[in-house]
Amino acid sequence: QVQLVQSGAEVKKPGASVKVSCKASGYTFTGYYMHWVRQAPGQGLEWMGWINPNSGGTNYAQKFQGRVTMTRDTSISTAYMELSRLRSDDTAVYYCARAPPVQVGFPFDYWGQGTLVTVSS
Amino acid sequence: DIVMTQSPDSLAVSLGERATINCKSSQSVLYSSNNKNYLAWYQQKPGQPPKLLIYWASTRESGVPDRFSGSGSGTDFTLTISSLQAEDVAVYYCQQYYSTLSFTFGPGTKVDIK
Repeated sequence: QVQLVQSGAEVKKPGASVKVSCKASGYTFTGYYMHWVRQAPGQGLEWMGWINPNSGGTNYAQKFQGRVTMTRDTSISTAYMELSRLRSDDTAVYYCARAPPVQVGFPFDYWGQGTLVTVSS
Repeated sequence: DIVMTQSPDSLAVSLGERATINCKSSQSVLYSSNNKNYLAWYQQKPGQPPKLLIYWASTRESGVPDRFSGSGSGTDFTLTISSLQAEDVAVYYCQQYYSTLSFTFGPGTKVDIK
């Protein structure tokens, strides 16, 4: 069965960086894009960007350009999202979510369990 | 970016009654080449990730109860829960996947029991 298992909670100081991992299993990792979505406490869902695990190509939401980097390691079927220059308003649960290649046009059918990132001095 | 809005922000419905949530996109999400609306609905319960309920505006994901239905086209869409059950208490989000460069969500609608 398809599973996306994310790394554990993180506490970071303002200005630091955080790197969240998302290990995929139960399907061909390179056959689906991985998206990242975050949710601040009590707030809605905010799409951050996607990575094509096959090519490594990425596309980031304008809001995060310059601060976010999405990478992957196909040998271990794992996607990563790194966010730098953290601020207190980056405190959120970060989710990875799978979808077919964007050219196919399909939403996110499987999600990770979420990783809480807390930014506090 | 395509901006998604939802109404109402929240609603309370009696068990067994109908719940209706509206979603509007700032531009059409209907692809004329295949006549499909690139609009999805998700359900999120507290402490859980979102769950895909409906895609192509009206196609239920496998395993989703048939009391959930989606309708609409172009820029205006509706999610209907025909007979609200206790386990349907959640926040519901619409999302457009028309733009391959930006997959925006609506702000969410919270559904409670009256």
